[in-house]
Amino acid sequence: QKEVEQNSGPLSVPEGAIASLNCTYSDRGSQSFFWYRQYSGKSPELIMFIYSNGDKEDGRFTAQLNKASQYVSLLIRDSQPSDSATYLCTLSGGYNKLIFGAGTRLAVHP
Amino acid sequence: GAVVSQHPSRVICKSGTSVKIECRSLDFQATTMFWYRQFPKQSLMLMATSNEGSKATYEQGVEKDKFLINHASLTLSTLTVTSAHPEDSSFYICSAPGQGMVGETQYFGPGTRLLVL
Repeated sequence: QKEVEQNSGPLSVPEGAIASLNCTYSDRGSQSFFWYRQYSGKSPELIMFIYSNGDKEDGRFTAQLNKASQYVSLLIRDSQPSDSATYLCTLSGGYNKLIFGAGTRLAVHP
Repeated sequence: GAVVSQHPSRVICKSGTSVKIECRSLDFQATTMFWYRQFPKQSLMLMATSNEGSKATYEQGVEKDKFLINHASLTLSTLTVTSAHPEDSSFYICSAPGQGMVGETQYFGPGTRLLVL
């Protein structure tokens, strides 16, 4: 069974700093990885997806994938208080299914 | 972008009653929709895959007779929690995959918060 492991946090960073969120996954055959952001009481929203080894940048967000180490990360530069949320590391379980990690709670303080 | 709606957004019911939650894709067709459940401080757990024109596929441990799923049309899936009990209180979220994309984009509904007294 495919599993995704994340540190539940909270990860506390000062405003303007870089927040680093990490996760590992169990199935070496996994191909597609996603980072979702979920505000309290709301449904998830997609931040980034990554399929290939290496880095993928989109604005203040950088996703990193290392398939050999089965490791995925998300860097948030210039963190803002509005980035405070739970970040869900997610992988594709096939047939359009998504498998979510437990989430890391990020708190950005002014 | 594509929009998925859910109704109701919040429901409170008495133990033993049944509750129906609707999930609609507003501007696209969805032959498949997914139902998730999320308990406080936990992640989303996939309950079932709703398939238009055929039976839903349930994840291991999810009672199909308790959580009835009907995919009535290409834009509507319903989840009925039958004989609800307090332990069924949770946040129920549906999603639909973007057309032409395998696993790349899932459009999530805003969720339905169920409280069973």
